[in-house]
Amino acid sequence: DAGVTQSPTHLIKTRGQHVTLRCSPISGHKSVSWYQQVLGQGPQFIFQYYEKEERGRGNFPDRFSARQFPNYSSELNVNALLLGDSALYLCASSQDYYNEQFFGPGTRLTVL
Amino acid sequence: DQQVKQNSPSLSVQEGRISILNCDYTNSMFDYFLWYKKYPAEGPTFLISISSIKDKNEDGRFTVFLNKSAKHLSLHIVPSQPGDSAVYFCAASATGGSQGNLIFGKGTKLSVKP
Repeated sequence: DAGVTQSPTHLIKTRGQHVTLRCSPISGHKSVSWYQQVLGQGPQFIFQYYEKEERGRGNFPDRFSARQFPNYSSELNVNALLLGDSALYLCASSQDYYNEQFFGPGTRLTVL
Repeated sequence: DQQVKQNSPSLSVQEGRISILNCDYTNSMFDYFLWYKKYPAEGPTFLISISSIKDKNEDGRFTVFLNKSAKHLSLHIVPSQPGDSAVYFCAASATGGSQGNLIFGKGTKLSVKP
């Protein structure tokens, strides 16, 4: 069975640009969560979606937004990129919002 | 303020011996705890979890212990193998509040020497 997939693998953007990251959950999983991991830190929660509705939001500015589609895949959008947005962006899926979460390989975003 | 703390950035253990990774938390609303392992350039891999209604959960070589009164949990790996060398993250969530988002510690880098 395929695990969580994310695209693209790597991405280089410049300050002020916009980026869209994509995630496909494990088949049968209805919840998708997004995390940001900077070097030397643990993943930090950005959003959780369950059944296409936002279930939770972390302490991130409004430049960050996300959505979940009818097939349960998800997009994370970041506007007006800052140098500090450079990080590994992780997507995780779970059967329900309270189950253990399974992570994808991440998208490495570099903002120059 | 960090709600989940892993105070040891690194741990070195001899192959075949026990590895003990520790984690402390401050939020008494946390009711579900998980351990993840992460290799470089990969996403975290789920290892084992424990609900707050239990004090121990075992899966093969991995055992997690929860001490709610001390707000402390630990992961025991017995016996340790070189392939266990990775960064281990402790995570917690307050599912009773209808939220499933995970709060992670900063991780402990485990090195298992042959």
